[in-house]
Amino acid sequence: EAGVTQFPSHSVIEKGQTVTLRCDPISGHDNLYWYRRVMGKEIKFLLHFVKESKQDESGMPNNRFLAERTGGTYSTLKVQPAELEDSGVYFCASSSFGYDQPQHFGDGTRLSIL
Amino acid sequence: AQTVTQSQPEMSVQEAETVTLSCTYDTSESDYYLFWYKQPPSRQMILVIRQEAYKQQNATENRFSVNFQKAAKSFSLKISDSQLGDAAMYFCAYRSARGSRDDKIIFGKGTRLHILP
Repeated sequence: EAGVTQFPSHSVIEKGQTVTLRCDPISGHDNLYWYRRVMGKEIKFLLHFVKESKQDESGMPNNRFLAERTGGTYSTLKVQPAELEDSGVYFCASSSFGYDQPQHFGDGTRLSIL
Repeated sequence: AQTVTQSQPEMSVQEAETVTLSCTYDTSESDYYLFWYKQPPSRQMILVIRQEAYKQQNATENRFSVNFQKAAKSFSLKISDSQLGDAAMYFCAYRSARGSRDDKIIFGKGTRLHILP
């Protein structure tokens, strides 16, 4: 079984540009989560999809971040326009439906804003 | 709001020795889960061990065990017979047991563990 896949593994862009991160969850997993770790700080929750619906987006920092999960399969996280403070590692995780299912994490996308 | 605190940014241990990583947390909930995740240099985060708050018995997974002190809100990880492959960033984490509507994971800042040959 393939794990959670994230693309790209590393992205370097200039301030003001747009970047789109992609996450492919484990096949059949209804739950998909985005987290990020800004340098030196905790990994923080961004949002949670159940299939294509946003269950909880309380962690989204501002309206420059847009997450989508069309069709309930893969998800994208777009940052537009990117700011310096957006640099960090963005993790995606997925879990199957049901109580107490473990979240499986991807390798993360390292985003560097210059 | 729940918080997780790891007070040791870095630690080192000699190969084959035992090391304990500290973690404290704060919550007003009575039912929750605690985790230790490991992120090696290859970057994929792996679940090492999990503890349900309602269980008094400390969880164990091979060389990894926890000391869960619910009243003190402490959750330390002990690694016995340390191996070079244990070198990684270790994250202590918390998750509510309220169900799928609130199952986001709350992480500590991490402890980077170095294994000395």
